[in-house]
Amino acid sequence: AQSVTQPDIHITVSEGASLELRCNYSYGATPYLFWYVQSPGQGLQLLLKYFSGDTLVQGIKGFEAEFKRSQSSFNLRKPSVHWSDAAEYFCAVALPSGGYQKVTFGTGTKLQVIP
Amino acid sequence: DAGVIQSPRHEVTEMGQEVTLRCKPISGHNSLFWYRQTMMRGLELLIYFNNNVPIDDSGMPEDRFSAKMPNASFSTLKIQPSEPRDSAVYFCASSPEVLLAGDYEQYFGPGTRLTVT
Repeated sequence: AQSVTQPDIHITVSEGASLELRCNYSYGATPYLFWYVQSPGQGLQLLLKYFSGDTLVQGIKGFEAEFKRSQSSFNLRKPSVHWSDAAEYFCAVALPSGGYQKVTFGTGTKLQVIP
Repeated sequence: DAGVIQSPRHEVTEMGQEVTLRCKPISGHNSLFWYRQTMMRGLELLIYFNNNVPIDDSGMPEDRFSAKMPNASFSTLKIQPSEPRDSAVYFCASSPEVLLAGDYEQYFGPGTRLTVT
């Protein structure tokens, strides 16, 4: 069973427009949640993470994410997208497995930014 | 800090050949992960080491795959014999935190793009 779902495979936004990337998880309790970004030809880089506390989390590069328990969601947002934000974005969860917190990545959302 | 170092960056080999991928984690990190990324299956965890000991190898696809971590600064992922379906990008990642808590950051290397013909 999928523990983390990213329903959008590809999203296109205009430079300067706002962005929201969706992520849903399936787990009985609140898991550890992450957003990573992968630029072409590179490895993944952590944008932000959440486990407890304030449900609005600030990350690097002007990104933020909001945890909503009622919707089992952890959506990533940015108020104004820059051309350099074009990349693939991965939501991830850490769940207990075999004595440690195992991270499982979603299938990713590829962001295209048009001028 | 140089970050996680992987070599080679690109590898093209023929079916049946042995392939060895190498990884140097960030100094001081005690956890190391090998991932495989493909269009069809996304990013999959192959194996996780903690303090040089394999903790979770449930993602290793079959006996053709093996991984070692002889010391804290070096790990290898070997495929023998290689097959065309092994073509993928292989990432190594390391983390400094103890993984009993889940809010650890993984630092990824640039990956090795493997093509098996």
